[in-house]
Amino acid sequence: DTEVTQTPKHLVMGMTNKKSLKCEQHMGHRAMYWYKQKAKKPPELMFVYSYEKLSINESVPSRFSPECPNSSLLNLHLHALQPEDSALYLCASSQEQGTSGELFFGEGSRLTVL
Amino acid sequence: EDQVTQSPEALRLQEGESSSLNCSYTVSGLRGLFWYRQDPGKGPEFLFTLYSAGEEKEKERLKATLTKKESFLHITAPKPEDSATYLCAARRGGGADGLTFGKGTHLIIQP
Repeated sequence: DTEVTQTPKHLVMGMTNKKSLKCEQHMGHRAMYWYKQKAKKPPELMFVYSYEKLSINESVPSRFSPECPNSSLLNLHLHALQPEDSALYLCASSQEQGTSGELFFGEGSRLTVL
Repeated sequence: EDQVTQSPEALRLQEGESSSLNCSYTVSGLRGLFWYRQDPGKGPEFLFTLYSAGEEKEKERLKATLTKKESFLHITAPKPEDSATYLCAARRGGGADGLTFGKGTHLIIQP
């Protein structure tokens, strides 16, 4: 069983809605990540948080807004999304940013934008 | 620009038929080469990390190896439950983070 928990597993939203994806880990990891994965494509990095501070933003549109309330939680706030934003959103964590340790992924949140 | 290229894109094997998946990489200051398994609609499941050329790691029917330019994932006597997409990813140095993924190899093991 994965130790990175993502909710909800599935989300359907309209282009005018505001919703949030949540991620939680209790492994004591200090780096957390958001990835986006389209069908039959590899995961693409969106954001990296290190010690609860945003350290990498891979030129993601502002309609995606990350938040890291504490070392165990990571949110992704969604607003005014487009249908092409439909994808599997993956959260991951690792011991620390900048080390060589592996990333552990959650099961993902499947987002459909109508 | 960092690149991770996997081949083949898809592979269909009979149960018990051994084979290898390839991952070639061009990454400055490699700080880890990772293999993940991903089942449909699920997040990637960590398999191995390799750090230096010549390193090998094994887990059940899987063995991963690393050279200075590529990594191989050898599958010995596979079973249908080994069917999945296998992703290779590289982590680079220079202060950047996250993983650069290859497009994956979709492996199907037929009974």
